[in-house]
Amino acid sequence: QSALSQPASVSGSPGQSITISCTGTSSDIGGYNYVSWYQQHPGKAPKLMIYDVSNRPSGVSNRFSASKSGDTASLTISGLQAEDEATYYCSSYTSSNTVAFGGGTKLTVL
Amino acid sequence: QVQLVESGGGVVQPGRSLRLSCAASGFTFRTYGMHWVRQAPGKGLEWVAGSSNDGTNKYYEDSVKGRFTISRDNSKNTLYLQMNSLRAEDTAVYYCAKVSGNYVDWYYFDYWGQGTLVTVSS
Repeated sequence: QSALSQPASVSGSPGQSITISCTGTSSDIGGYNYVSWYQQHPGKAPKLMIYDVSNRPSGVSNRFSASKSGDTASLTISGLQAEDEATYYCSSYTSSNTVAFGGGTKLTVL
Repeated sequence: QVQLVESGGGVVQPGRSLRLSCAASGFTFRTYGMHWVRQAPGKGLEWVAGSSNDGTNKYYEDSVKGRFTISRDNSKNTLYLQMNSLRAEDTAVYYCAKVSGNYVDWYYFDYWGQGTLVTVSS
């Protein structure tokens, strides 16, 4: 069982917006602003999409945004495109000097 | 450009050992923390181990403590993962990943290798 909880799947039509939640505890998400999000296409390595809760690395579309409230972080993808179809993982540094990942959310673009 | 290339995966019997390598290029390896993350077939990501930039600080996930050892050779720009007493549940693709900030052991990974598959089976 993953340390962080994510919905197994979400879906949306092209052009719509979706939000993926990620719930942890005060020992990880709630205790630090070190939440990150990764995108993974089948057979590929994960790609960093968001770091430090809400920052986008250079080259990541501004259609991706994220936030945190208490022990829950959220990733929002607006203007859905076919290429966004992938699995998304949240991650957080923890008080145990480890990194926790969520179980992953498979995004289907209808 | 940053490149991370893992090698050393393969099929190994339970209880045996394997050493993974991650060859890094395109950045000043000795100034960055490095980690290993694995992914069992059809499953999610699982952090395994991490190393500070100079190898002084090492961190492990509970299930691999005492069995796996992370190390690095900064003269060869290479990260290693020595895996002993392997179990069926260690079967996964193992990725090496680079920490984003200089001289920081954590907190997120900005570059990942393509992974190497380890299969533990009799």
